Amino acid sequence: GQSLEQPSEVTAVEGAIVQINCTYQTSGFYGLSWYQQHDGGAPTFLSYNALDGLEETGRFSSFLSRSDSYGYLLLQELQMKDSASYFCAVRFSTSGTYKYIFGTGTRLKVLA
Amino acid sequence: DAGITQSPRHKVTETGTPVTLRCHQTENHRYMYWYRQDPGHGLRLIHYSYGVKDTDKGEVSDGYSVSRSKTEDFLLTLESATSSQTSVYFCAISNADSQETQYFGPGTRLLVL
Repeated sequence: GQSLEQPSEVTAVEGAIVQINCTYQTSGFYGLSWYQQHDGGAPTFLSYNALDGLEETGRFSSFLSRSDSYGYLLLQELQMKDSASYFCAVRFSTSGTYKYIFGTGTRLKVLA
Repeated sequence: DAGITQSPRHKVTETGTPVTLRCHQTENHRYMYWYRQDPGHGLRLIHYSYGVKDTDKGEVSDGYSVSRSKTEDFLLTLESATSSQTSVYFCAISNADSQETQYFGPGTRLLVL
């Protein structure tokens, strides 16, 4: 079956750097996405990695190692507004179409 | 923000009654998805559509059906609601050129008593 694991909670201080890891077991793996969700809100897309390596988008970077079935989201210069839940999601192919499976989410608390 | 709306935004219903949730998009995106979100489970795919009248099951499709008669609308129906279907339901869309990016609607909070 398909499964993802990510830590349930991470705490860091304002201005710091935090890394949220995601490991997956998937057949037909196609790519790894990251989403941010504030309490009471909808998930919003942050990044996507289909190939090994680091993708940088402003303060956020995402990394993928397909051989290790592992990825991470790196948040730099943390701000209070970054307090949210972060979900990794695997895109995989099955029967000619693509589906997604999400991790259970990592709750990030940013302290002043 | 992608133009996605969901209706109703909140609903309380009784066990055994049928419920239909609507997702409407103005982006002309090909792909549409229904997820449910529960504490400790993250987002789980219920059904998805890859075109008008083309739908397929996700990982938690039992007790749910969907229909897509036109590009902009994707309906999720609970034929006979149960308390285990109390959840927050999110619709998402993606286009054919960048399927990896899903845009989510605001969600519908459903309580089944």
